[in-house]
Amino acid sequence: QKEVEQNSGPLSVPEGAIASLNCTYSDRGSQSFFWYRQYSGKSPELIMFIYSNGDKEDGRFTAQLNKASQYVSLLIRDSQPSDSATYLCAVRPGANSKLTFGKGITLSVRP
Amino acid sequence: EPEVTQTPSHQVTQMGQEVILRCVPISNHLYFYWYRQILGQKVEFLVSFYNNEISEKSEIFDDQFSVERPDGSNFTLKIRSTKLEDSAMYFCASSDWTSGRSGELFFGEGSRLTVL
Repeated sequence: QKEVEQNSGPLSVPEGAIASLNCTYSDRGSQSFFWYRQYSGKSPELIMFIYSNGDKEDGRFTAQLNKASQYVSLLIRDSQPSDSATYLCAVRPGANSKLTFGKGITLSVRP
Repeated sequence: EPEVTQTPSHQVTQMGQEVILRCVPISNHLYFYWYRQILGQKVEFLVSFYNNEISEKSEIFDDQFSVERPDGSNFTLKIRSTKLEDSAMYFCASSDWTSGRSGELFFGEGSRLTVL
């Protein structure tokens, strides 16, 4: 069973702080990695994807991938109350295949 | 901006009844998916569909479930005889691999199914 594990939450940070969200995956052959944001009662919305080891930055968001450790993370800088949501890590083993999602971690940004 | 649309947004049905959930994927996308999310649980893969056939399905997608692309725009999920445990939010998604993009999934807003 291919698993995607996310830290147990919820995570609470003050406004302006850095939020760090972590994810591990079991399938060593996984090729692409995604972070989705899901507001309560809404559908998942893509934030970032990453393929290569290292960091990828997009605005206040940075995705980090370490394939040797089978670990992917998302950093949110200057956290805002509007960032309060559940963040889903998703992994794709190969081209044209399904995404497997983790359970998600709920982030709360305190004003 | 193109989007995936789903109908109905909410359906209430009696156990044992048939349900059809409808989706219109983004027009130039070729890969279509159904996922479900039981309240408070993770997003679970049901089935993927490409070139008018199922390309992959999960253990959840048993004989009670079927998918169809009846015309050039719609993509449907049918549950033949609903059970209480089928109550969930059902998400349709589509992706485009042909343009060299990441193949990220674009999700519809979901159809909430309540089985009584």
